[in-house]
Amino acid sequence: QSALTQPASVSGSPGQSITISCGGTTSDIGSYFYNFVSWYQQHPGKVPKLMIYEVNKRPSGVSNRFSGSKSGNTASLTISGLQAEDEADYYCCSFEGTTFYWVFGGGTKVTVL
Amino acid sequence: EVQLVESGGDLIQPGGSLRLSCAASGLNFNAYHMNWVRQAPGKGLEWVSYIGSGGNTWYADSVKGRFTISRDNAKRSLDLQMNSLRDDDTAVYYCARDQDYAFQDWGQGTLVAVSS
Repeated sequence: QSALTQPASVSGSPGQSITISCGGTTSDIGSYFYNFVSWYQQHPGKVPKLMIYEVNKRPSGVSNRFSGSKSGNTASLTISGLQAEDEADYYCCSFEGTTFYWVFGGGTKVTVL
Repeated sequence: EVQLVESGGDLIQPGGSLRLSCAASGLNFNAYHMNWVRQAPGKGLEWVSYIGSGGNTWYADSVKGRFTISRDNAKRSLDLQMNSLRDDDTAVYYCARDQDYAFQDWGQGTLVAVSS
């Protein structure tokens, strides 16, 4: 149950787009059978919030500036039109369907310059 | 509106036991799968355990054999019995509703501190 790999930090200026990568394996992100990658936003001292599920679906109420994708064993979260309120920690997560567990990435701190 | 409220967190000595609870409201509790996710101070998120609507359970390797997840649908309650606690179990423990294999709703968390 190894953690997914995320960059420690990503930064961008207001209005720019940024992309956070999340590296996994063929057992989780790259699974042929499952597309259960999700992304969470967490502001300091706050509860995590689901931003993306099933690789690229947005829950009701989440801005369409947030989008997700997957290629091979790597998932990505893109934030377009970066805003000050987007400054937070972001975690990717994948379900592993062979031995049944979820694995998170180590988290990426997004800084709006 | 879905509400998940955790309780039971405390300061406990290594080797001790603790039982966490999560009270759910605003949802058809018995229809949903539920999880515990934890976050050590200043660290990232870690999935701990899952219980399906039918009662099947899964555990992270780090807690397997020490933690037991259970649910009481009549009381709309989710529990986590934690035994043989270790220093590295220190964390905020969140109750989270699972939908589409994602953690859709989260409680505010309860702090478990394991220290002598």
